[in-house]
Amino acid sequence: AQTVTQSQPEMSVQEAETVTLSCTYDTSESNYYLFWYKQPPSRQMILVIRQEAYKQQNATENRFSVNFQKAAKSFSLKISDSQLGDTAMYFCAFSIFGNEKLTFGTGTRLTIIP
Amino acid sequence: GAVVSQHPSRVICKSGTSVKIECRSLDFQATTMFWYRQFPKQSLMLMATSNEGSKATYEQGVEKDKFLINHASLTLSTLTVTSAHPEDSSFYICSARDASGSDYTGELFFGEGSRLTVL
Repeated sequence: AQTVTQSQPEMSVQEAETVTLSCTYDTSESNYYLFWYKQPPSRQMILVIRQEAYKQQNATENRFSVNFQKAAKSFSLKISDSQLGDTAMYFCAFSIFGNEKLTFGTGTRLTIIP
Repeated sequence: GAVVSQHPSRVICKSGTSVKIECRSLDFQATTMFWYRQFPKQSLMLMATSNEGSKATYEQGVEKDKFLINHASLTLSTLTVTSAHPEDSSFYICSARDASGSDYTGELFFGEGSRLTVL
């Protein structure tokens, strides 16, 4: 079975600063996906970024980037130039290639301070 | 991107009644949808996998007679909470994958969620 661990229940950062959210996972699979989803106060889950395990290059989406360390089973999310709209719960998630079942971490509540 | 819509967004019912929540993929076909439950300030827990034209697959510990899932078409899955009780109060979220593209991305699209309150 797969597990996803987020060790930071809450974080806060000043607007325009950079913040990094941690995520570790455990699996015996070799081909899988990792995701960061954002859940704002509206509760709608929104995909932030996705990483394929077979790709060595870290995924980047505008202000969002990941540090994927496959051997260490670590998948952290870096948010640069943080904005007030980034305030949300962030969930790290895992799925095996070909199986869309997502395993979520416990989430990190991120607050951007004006 | 693909859109998944849930209805109702909020529902309040009396204990003992049944409640149906709909999940629709608006601009794509979804052979598989997923139902999650989220308690306040907690993560999403997968309840079941809804398969079009066949029986749903339930996760361990989820009562299939309590949470009835019907995936009658390629765009609609329903979750019925039968004989609801206060402990069933929760936030229920569905998700689906757009399988129409040639590239497998693993991405799921989520509905807006439905908050159930059982009095």
